[in-house]
Amino acid sequence: KAGVTQTPRYLIKTRGQQVTLSCSPISGHRSVSWYQQTPGQGLQFLFEYFSETQRNKGNFPGRFSGRQFSNSRSEMNVSTLELGDSALYLCASSFATSQETQYFGPGTRLLVL
Amino acid sequence: QQPVQSPQAVILREGEDAVINCSSSKALYSVHWYRQKHGEAPVFLMILLKGGEQKGHDKISASFNEKKQQSSLYLTASQLSYSGTYFCGTEMHSGGSNYKLTFGKGTLLTVNP
Repeated sequence: KAGVTQTPRYLIKTRGQQVTLSCSPISGHRSVSWYQQTPGQGLQFLFEYFSETQRNKGNFPGRFSGRQFSNSRSEMNVSTLELGDSALYLCASSFATSQETQYFGPGTRLLVL
Repeated sequence: QQPVQSPQAVILREGEDAVINCSSSKALYSVHWYRQKHGEAPVFLMILLKGGEQKGHDKISASFNEKKQQSSLYLTASQLSYSGTYFCGTEMHSGGSNYKLTFGKGTLLTVNP
């Protein structure tokens, strides 16, 4: 089975711009979660989608949004980028929504200048 | 709601043992452990379920004290390949039928020859 894929892998944007990141889960997985990783902060939970519905949301401003399509692929959007948004954005997929192993993708590294 | 991990960092010599602790202030549904090597995505190690069931690794073990909302990861006879950042994820009820997985800031483990 192919693993979780994320595109693009690297991205450079300037303040004020917006960005869309994509995540394709493992085939058969219906849950996709997004995390922001910055040095010293660990994995900060952004949101989780299951069957096109947002099931959970982290403590991030409304500039961060996401969606999931019927084929379980998910996108994450950040509008009005700030310097502090520079981070590695990881998505993880799992078969179900709880007590399940999460399989992480390689991440998208976003640099905001 | 982010779980607290300790220690933040630990340095070992090959063959030595280590314990990484994870504690939460809220009731836990499950505890997940992941390891992330530099420049790579986090990889699943173990999941401990409420009720005592444990799934995971044969060289790495863990405990889950539901009453104290704590988990510990035990790495015995460490190998160079154990080096990396270890994250615990705590799963909690977030309303309705939803459960949310939140990760700690990580413990950096370095194993030297």
